[in-house]
Amino acid sequence: AQSVTQPDIHITVSEGASLELRCNYSYGATPYLFWYVQSPGQGLQLLLKYFSGDTLVQGIKGFEAEFKRSQSSFNLRKPSVHWSDAAEYFCAVGNTGGFKTIFGAGTRLFVKA
Amino acid sequence: DTEVTQTPKHLVMGMTNKKSLKCEQHMGHRAMYWYKQKAKKPPELMFVYSYEKLSINESVPSRFSPECPNSSLLNLHLHALQPEDSALYLCASSQARAGGLGEQYFGPGTRLTVT
Repeated sequence: AQSVTQPDIHITVSEGASLELRCNYSYGATPYLFWYVQSPGQGLQLLLKYFSGDTLVQGIKGFEAEFKRSQSSFNLRKPSVHWSDAAEYFCAVGNTGGFKTIFGAGTRLFVKA
Repeated sequence: DTEVTQTPKHLVMGMTNKKSLKCEQHMGHRAMYWYKQKAKKPPELMFVYSYEKLSINESVPSRFSPECPNSSLLNLHLHALQPEDSALYLCASSQARAGGLGEQYFGPGTRLTVT
């Protein structure tokens, strides 16, 4: 069965420090992968997506993610975190069964001054 | 325009009330979704409409009744809800091609409280 694992429930980083959020997936075929961000009480915003091609994907707000098939991973990175990046981050995979997106449990990012 | 709008932003209703949540998008997407999200959890899929037809109902109780009047609008009718139905209700839309595998665009949600 398809699944998405985000091993870290929460992460705290200092403002200006680099960030890496981990995501591992279990999927039989080439996955469609996404990262979404959600600020408290808000909807989800798409940060970036991977469908095929270049395994390093650039997104909005200075985020990037790298697809590594051998490790079944799609980790999200940012070189320098800003206080406004504090939010919940969800990794997700598109399900070829149709119309279902499987979300990870989320990682809550805290940014300290 | 990549915006999905939802109204109302907040809703408080009693267990005997009938209310509706509304969602609208003008991106030409032909797949629309309702999700329920509890605090500190990922969104849970409730319903999917594809080309205005109900494609997926994730065994949602009948007190939730979806409706897709046209390709831009999605409603969720609520009746006789329980306090455990209190949650953030999110609407999303996407391209319907390839079984909706593409990215979804989410609205800001309706915060529902059932008293």
